[in-house]
Amino acid sequence: EDQVTQSPEALRLQEGESSSLNCSYTVSGLRGLFWYRQDPGKGPEFLFTLYSAGEEKEKERLKATLTKKESFLHITAPKPEDSATYLCAVQAFEDDKIIFGKGTRLHILP
Amino acid sequence: EPEVTQTPSHQVTQMGQEVILRCVPISNHLYFYWYRQILGQKVEFLVSFYNNEISEKSEIFDDQFSVERPDGSNFTLKIRSTKLEDSAMYFCASSEQIRGGAAIWDTQYFGPGTRLTVL
Repeated sequence: EDQVTQSPEALRLQEGESSSLNCSYTVSGLRGLFWYRQDPGKGPEFLFTLYSAGEEKEKERLKATLTKKESFLHITAPKPEDSATYLCAVQAFEDDKIIFGKGTRLHILP
Repeated sequence: EPEVTQTPSHQVTQMGQEVILRCVPISNHLYFYWYRQILGQKVEFLVSFYNNEISEKSEIFDDQFSVERPDGSNFTLKIRSTKLEDSAMYFCASSEQIRGGAAIWDTQYFGPGTRLTVL
């Protein structure tokens, strides 16, 4: 069964303190791995799509990387406005659906 | 920047009543989806829709649920007889599949959601 496990469940950082969020996945054949940001009461906001092991993508203070079994979302020198839940999701080749993890709740203290 | 929109933002209904949730996908997208998120839980897939028919559905999407594209812009989710356990955030998403040889590039963009409360 395809599944996504994210760790840690929650993370509190001081402003400027860099860290990484982990997403471990099992999928029959990976079509894409997605990172989304979700603010309370809002819809998932697209951040990155990764398609193959070794791929990396960056956007402002965020960088996403992908291996055959996991993905990392690195956050460099975070600011309080980066506080949100970060969701990882995978899509198998034969599927329309994407399968989400439970997310990591990130809180950046000023 | 194009975005998915949803109405209403919040819907309160009595158990057993029918509700229709509405979505306007991104205009050049051809694939449409509904997901739901019960408070404190994962985002879960309900159904995908392409070329005016259901492409894939989950076990959650039983006979109480239906989807429709009534015109060229709207995409709706109907729940015929709501239950207490249908209370959740419902998200619409859309995607544009880009095919290149054997590869398919596909990112789903989500709307802001409709909070459904069943009393």
